[in-house]
Amino acid sequence: EVQLVESGGGLVQPGGSLRLSCVASGFTFSSYSMNWVRQAPGKGLEWLSYISSTSSTVYYADSVKGRFTISRDNAKNSLYLQMNSLRDGDTAVYYCARAAHSGYGYYFEFWGQGTLVTVSS
Amino acid sequence: DIQMTQSPSSLSASVGDRITITCRASQSISSHLNWYQQKPGKAPKLLIYAASSLQSGVPSRFSGSGSGTDFTLTISSLQPEDFSTYYCQQGYSLWTFGQGTKVEIK
Repeated sequence: EVQLVESGGGLVQPGGSLRLSCVASGFTFSSYSMNWVRQAPGKGLEWLSYISSTSSTVYYADSVKGRFTISRDNAKNSLYLQMNSLRDGDTAVYYCARAAHSGYGYYFEFWGQGTLVTVSS
Repeated sequence: DIQMTQSPSSLSASVGDRITITCRASQSISSHLNWYQQKPGKAPKLLIYAASSLQSGVPSRFSGSGSGTDFTLTISSLQPEDFSTYYCQQGYSLWTFGQGTKVEIK
């Protein structure tokens, strides 16, 4: 069974940093691209970042470019999101999601349960 | 950036109803369109990928259609467990979600 378990969320002050983790099990982690997606309270979904299976390719949404860094450790079956210079608007539930590819691009096949990040003084 | 616009933002329907949700892209995205269902407090769940391909395990009452800029998600006979929020997502140029459509009980 595919499982994605996020951790690392919590309360952080504006300007602070936080590192989220996502541990994968039930599949060959090193074969799949991964993503981070967030959802602010009562709002919709926002894609944040993508990393290829070998870490050779990464993409970021404009809203987090230069502040957030995605990475992975295939030996540990783990995905990370380093978040710096956090703002009030970064308050959200953060999900990791496994990507799958069709003839029409990537879609997000499996999702973790999410971890809540609250940015507040 | 590609913008995704869903309509309606919410709808009320009864069990057994046929409902359709529309998603429009700001430019052509071919069939790079996916649909997700999300229940309160839960992670999104993939329903449809590549505009019309049903994800394994998803009931056949869900279907997707469209290409280019206009897409639809149809539920042929609404069941109690289908009352949720639905999101479209384009995967043509990075990824963007629509704002969501909340399906409520009439």
